[in-house]
Formats: sequence, C-alpha cells, structure tokens
Amino acid sequence: RKEVEQDPGPFNVPEGATVAFNCTYSNSASQSFFWYRQDCRKEPKLLMSVYSSGNEDGRFTAQLNRASQYISLLIRDSKLSDSATYLCVVHWPSSGGGADGLTFGKGTHLIIQP
Amino acid sequence: DTAVSQTPKYLVTQMGNDKSIKCEQNLGHDTMYWYKQDSKKFLKIMFSYNNKELIINETVPNRFSPKSPDKAHLNLHINSLELGDSAVYFCASSQDRQKNIQYFGAGTRLSVL
Repeated sequence: RKEVEQDPGPFNVPEGATVAFNCTYSNSASQSFFWYRQDCRKEPKLLMSVYSSGNEDGRFTAQLNRASQYISLLIRDSKLSDSATYLCVVHWPSSGGGADGLTFGKGTHLIIQP
Repeated sequence: DTAVSQTPKYLVTQMGNDKSIKCEQNLGHDTMYWYKQDSKKFLKIMFSYNNKELIINETVPNRFSPKSPDKAHLNLHINSLELGDSAVYFCASSQDRQKNIQYFGAGTRLSVL
C-alpha cells in the first residue's frame, strides 16, 4: 500500500518561533516531492518542491532523506499568516507514468499564535 | 484571469439528483485532474486526463463520469447523488504528466441532502 503519512497536529506555535514537521512515505521508488499549503476553505497551492540536496525559499527550508523515506519542512521566524494546513505530496512512477502516483498526505495543521 | 476556474462554487442538491461541475484552465496545460476532499480533509485523486484522454480512474463509482471536450476543459458529471458524495471537489491542471506541479481551482463545495 502506497502511503504518505503526516502528523495532523494542530501545532500551536508562538509568532516568531521556528517550527518543523515531517512527512514519511512508503514507496522507495518515489521520485518527486512537494509541500503544498492549504488555507481554510481554499484550494491547495504549491509552497515548494523538495530537492535531494535540500532547498530553501526565504524562511522555508525543505529537506529530503531518501534513506529514511521522509521529507521535512522548517519554518523560521513564523508569522501569523503562516497559519494553514501543510500538505506533503509524493510522486512515484507507475505503469502509466505521470501523475498516476501523485499522493497527498492528510496535512499538518499549523496555528501561529500572537 | 483565474488560471483554473470551476463552477459552481457551491452546489446543494437532493439525493438522487444528477449534477455537473465544470472546469476550465487557461494555462495551456496538457493534463487535468479531479480530486475529492472529504470532511476529514483527505485529498484524493479521482481522475486524470491528458490531452482529452483518460489516464487514471481511481476506484470511483461509475456514477461519476468525467468528460473532456478539449484539453482546456474537464467536466465532472455525477448521477444519482448520494449523501456520501458530499465533499469539496477540486479541479487541477499540470503542464504535462511529467511536470506535474498541480494548479488547483477554488473548489466546488457539494452538499447532498
């Protein structure tokens, strides 16, 4: 069974703090990894892709650990506007290729408190 | 201009009815998708179309029938609606099947009474 697991939270974090959460995936053949953000009653939007060497975008850092099959997201200097659900997305090739193996985790709910 | 637009935004209907949700993307993408997000917020892919051809059809009841008149449109028709169909349905597109970053529409909130 191909799965993507996340801690649903909620993570309650004071403004300005650093927060990190992980996502584990079951299929070792997974090729692409992403973090999406979904605000309440809105559509998911791409936050960042996750590369093998790790990558950073402003206050956000994503890491990939293929050996342990997990990806992480670190948010530094958290803002009130960071409050959202963060979805881990993993893609693995299937017989048809493409998005056949695009699987979303259930999301981690983050609440930044003033 | 909205990149991926779906209509209607809200849909309230009685059990047993037939309804359709429309989706259009103006990004020039080759691949389009339908997702269902249930009350527990779990987002699950239902269908994927590439250049008007069905690529995946997950274990979705055959009451759900997607139709793609051209690669910019992917509509979803649902027959004999059931209470369990209540959810938010998201349309999405990606450049192609390999470059599969998803661009989502705003969602259609379906309530079956």
